[in-house]
Amino acid sequence: AQKVTQTQTSISVMEKTTVTMDCVYETQDSSYFLFWYKQTASGEIVFLIRQDSYKKENATVGHYSLNFQKPKSSIGLIITATQIEDSAVYFCAMRELPNYNVLYFGSGTKLTVEP
Amino acid sequence: GALVYQYPRRTICKSGTSMRMECQAVGFQATSVAWYRQSPQKTFELIALSTVNSAIKYEQNFTQEKFPISHPNLSFSSMTVLNAYLEDRGLYLCGARDRGYTEVFFGKGTRLTVV
Repeated sequence: AQKVTQTQTSISVMEKTTVTMDCVYETQDSSYFLFWYKQTASGEIVFLIRQDSYKKENATVGHYSLNFQKPKSSIGLIITATQIEDSAVYFCAMRELPNYNVLYFGSGTKLTVEP
Repeated sequence: GALVYQYPRRTICKSGTSMRMECQAVGFQATSVAWYRQSPQKTFELIALSTVNSAIKYEQNFTQEKFPISHPNLSFSSMTVLNAYLEDRGLYLCGARDRGYTEVFFGKGTRLTVV
């Protein structure tokens, strides 16, 4: 069964707007970590932001923020003031505490930011 | 800072031959190294997880006989794709983590083309 699901295959937005990408996850563990990465055109994976399951506050880093809804097992990524260079494929990932070394990835959402 | 280098970045091999890819951690100790494959149009599949002083754990559909991995020290890991065929093509990523730290650092990947 898929542990991390991203239903949006692709999104297109205008520059300087705000975009939200969805991600739901599945776990039986009480402690886990959620991540968002972006993959550039060259294939490079870049870490963006992380949410620890025990933290109630939504994480924020620069123009990235998370909408963590634990009861819904949902971790949305919000990008404000989008820029052309934000165009990439965004992956949601989860790591569970017992299997601490393994990241489970979603299928990715391709974001295109247009001028 | 923590960096992970993968080489070669791109490689082409003939069907039925083998190729070896390497992963080098700089600035931290790669206590555990996970190898992933991103096939065309697909998300990241975990191939195997290697932790220093522990047995290498392969995921279902991946075997040591096909993807032998070496993790001889805290800065280096290599994986070989033996007897490569078309279905083995894709981007192979190495993700390394230091014990006690949450972040996984990824290399830029080795893109394998099989002809």
